Amino acid sequence: SQQGEEDPQALSIQEGENATMNCSYKTSINNLQWYRQNSGRGLVHLILIRSNEREKHSGRLRVTLDTSKKSSSLLITASRAADTASYFCRSGGYQKVTFGTGTKLQVIP
Amino acid sequence: DAGVIQSPRHEVTEMGQEVTLRCKPISGHNSLFWYRQTMMRGLELLIYFNNNVPIDDSGMPEDRFSAKMPNASFSTLKIQPSEPRDSAVYFCASSPLAGGTDTQYFGPGTRLTVL
Repeated sequence: SQQGEEDPQALSIQEGENATMNCSYKTSINNLQWYRQNSGRGLVHLILIRSNEREKHSGRLRVTLDTSKKSSSLLITASRAADTASYFCRSGGYQKVTFGTGTKLQVIP
Repeated sequence: DAGVIQSPRHEVTEMGQEVTLRCKPISGHNSLFWYRQTMMRGLELLIYFNNNVPIDDSGMPEDRFSAKMPNASFSTLKIQPSEPRDSAVYFCASSPLAGGTDTQYFGPGTRLTVL
């Protein structure tokens, strides 16, 4: 199986700052997905980037993908207290895929 | 549109009892996934179905766990007999495409406590 690994495991920032989270994976993929999980809730899909894309934007989210390094980053700009959550990447390939351990983001008002 | 529906939302049972968790995927979705989440082990994929057929159940921890998908709109995850170490949040997710690589849509989860 392939598994995304998020880095850092935990991140604490002030409201208004940018938050960057990284994800590494091991085998070839056809897409990579980022999800958010608020405490006690299910995961919510944020953005999907395909293997032939290098960058994608959605609102305050910016995702990059470097297939040569097998890594992706999620940037949240102008963070808000409501962004406090755990963030997971999921590498979508042709084999069994699963989620990484997540980055726990805390945005301090 | 209704999202993925799971029931019950909370379940408290005693060791040795049978537990059945239920999931209704989003209509028209072709893949269904069962996950377990704990602080210690994180989010674990237990089993997934494509077009109601179990494709990969290698994540099912042991024979006490079983899952079925009798039709496209319903799936169950059964634990018999339950043990305290089964305490976790169990999530069901569905995905539009078969194959397991597409975006997943999660239900709210069932929080299981086995005493």
